[in-house]
Amino acid sequence: GQQVMQIPQYQHVQEGEDFTTYCNSSTTLSNIQWYKQRPGGHPVFLIQLVKSGEVKKQKRLTFQFGEAKKNSSLHITATQTTDVGTYFCVRSQGNLIFGKGTKLSVKP
Amino acid sequence: EAGVAQSPRYKIIEKRQSVAFWCNPISGHATLYWYQQILGQGPKLLIQFQNNGVVDDSQLPKDRFSAERLKGVDSTLKIQPAKLEDSAVYLCVSARLAGGAGELFFGEGSRLTVL
Repeated sequence: GQQVMQIPQYQHVQEGEDFTTYCNSSTTLSNIQWYKQRPGGHPVFLIQLVKSGEVKKQKRLTFQFGEAKKNSSLHITATQTTDVGTYFCVRSQGNLIFGKGTKLSVKP
Repeated sequence: EAGVAQSPRYKIIEKRQSVAFWCNPISGHATLYWYQQILGQGPKLLIQFQNNGVVDDSQLPKDRFSAERLKGVDSTLKIQPAKLEDSAVYLCVSARLAGGAGELFFGEGSRLTVL
């Protein structure tokens, strides 16, 4: 189908630890977007990946798009309490389909 | 630039009543989406407009939900009659580009509680 699978559903880390969330699709994606939703807030755009094997960095965040364009990952180095929230990958192909999200909690 | 405006922010109704949500997207954005986000879940697409035309309403429960974007700008989403399972945040999203090629801009959402 058109779904994107995201794992894990929840992740609890100690501040300073690393965090990774994975997004997988059974079909090839033309591009993929990542969003962050803080508790009580609305999703906010982080990045869009388009090219096979693409890697983009935003400070402590590293985004990757798989060679086959069927998977993507978001890695946060040395998490901080401000990283708390739910991270969604979004399949953007015609319409936009959200993954179920990975909820990150960070213990100070 | 001004963001996506939504109203009301909160609404509490009883089941079988009706409710309407309004959205004003970012000026110049041709694409407008309505999403439903149930607590603890990812947003689910209800309907996508390109200007004033419907691109995708395959997941809209048409027996009770309707949406329109008459002049290609503002949009309204109506639920009639509401059910308990409609309790959710309704997010209006606008995009400058068509087909999901660019960044999405979310409104603050309209939180609906059906009692």
